[in-house]
Amino acid sequence: EAQVTQNPRYLITVTGKKLTVTCSQNMNHEYMSWYRQDPGLGLRQIYYSMNVEVTDKGDVPEGYKVSRKEKRNFPLILESPSPNQTSLYFCASSLWLAGGVDTQYFGPGTRLTVL
Amino acid sequence: DAKTTQPPSMDCAEGRAANLPCNHSTISGNEYVYWYRQIHSQGPQYIIHGLKNNETNEMASLIITEDRKSSTLILPHATLRDTAVYYCIVRVREASGTYKYIFGTGTRLKVLA
Repeated sequence: EAQVTQNPRYLITVTGKKLTVTCSQNMNHEYMSWYRQDPGLGLRQIYYSMNVEVTDKGDVPEGYKVSRKEKRNFPLILESPSPNQTSLYFCASSLWLAGGVDTQYFGPGTRLTVL
Repeated sequence: DAKTTQPPSMDCAEGRAANLPCNHSTISGNEYVYWYRQIHSQGPQYIIHGLKNNETNEMASLIITEDRKSSTLILPHATLRDTAVYYCIVRVREASGTYKYIFGTGTRLKVLA
């Protein structure tokens, strides 16, 4: 089954304790992205990657890191989480069609609480 | 960057057409408009996209104004299962050739029995 998986689905942590949220897709997609969703603000793009070893900042990259060492995986790293990073996080992937269109497939979400 | 503006909420009677507007007045000529929907807190699901012409698929129709400053998503016969938050999105091409996505804040559509 074609899908995007995220782990963990729920996480409660404390300020400053490094964490990683994993994202994996089995559709051989080039484009992968991380979003955060907060009440009243919709989804905002954190980082995205057009292909292996290529990453770019979205609209809200502060406090986050990503890496793209393999095509299928795109982990989101919070080196020193803070309470303002409490949010619902989504990973997404899509084919990269230069100049063309693509459909993003979203994962189920990770609900993160930073105390 | 292009931004989108949507009404926060709408109601629609079951079986009637739901028309969801989106304003994207700063959109550039090569930027696509996408629509996704989100049911509860699940991952958003793709509905439809367009550039200049009106588009239709099995789920919905997308009407884009000639000046491209606004669009309307039409669900022709809304059902209770269409109750969701609908997002209008502009895909922006960066100078580096990469693409990023600008989501609106969404319209919460409630379909009433």
